[in-house]
Amino acid sequence: DAKTTQPPSMDCAEGRAANLPCNHSTISGNEYVYWYRQIHSQGPQYIIHGLKNNETNEMASLIITEDRKSSTLILPHATLRDTAVYYCIVRVDYTGNQFYFGTGTSLTVIP
Amino acid sequence: ETGVTQSPTHLIKTRGQQVTLRCSSQSGHNTVSWYQQALGQGPQFIFQYYREEENGRGNFPPRFSGLQFPNYSSELNVNALELDDSALYLCASSLMEVYGYTFGSGTRLTVV
Repeated sequence: DAKTTQPPSMDCAEGRAANLPCNHSTISGNEYVYWYRQIHSQGPQYIIHGLKNNETNEMASLIITEDRKSSTLILPHATLRDTAVYYCIVRVDYTGNQFYFGTGTSLTVIP
Repeated sequence: ETGVTQSPTHLIKTRGQQVTLRCSSQSGHNTVSWYQQALGQGPQFIFQYYREEENGRGNFPPRFSGLQFPNYSSELNVNALELDDSALYLCASSLMEVYGYTFGSGTRLTVV
């Protein structure tokens, strides 16, 4: 069962920052927060992951609250190609455990 | 890197038949997982193979089975197909010791 809660849908204006929230109030100390996205008719694509500290890569930034019960994925300058379903997943790393995807947030970037 | 490739891309089968879906893992990856994604839902874990051995399974019946070969390619077999098996089947590979999975684009299976 998914251990995360995400809003079912969000809109964002093109060029603006998209902030996607995720609640994971039952997260364990050794569970990482992963974000994947799935563009229509394609397989999920890895975006970013983190344990405690905020993380940034070429695609996005991940902000994790100090109590680790929630996080926010930030796409700094959303483009039309960022329209996709975004999944927030918590997972113990390096054990071969599965990813519980849930139903994600459907982000629509508006021109 | 060649990514993860799946075949076929689309498939139509009749209820009761058997189907085999194939996956070629990303070069160097020794772990493969299979997921089922029904329309409008997130992917659901079927099972995972590591070095040709199954090392994790989701809530799927035994008629869902798999194989991983020495070259790390893999197969998903489904026997006695049911209408509810209609879905997108995704293969994902990774290097066990490293985070992150690379997903293929999936096989769209329709059971009629």
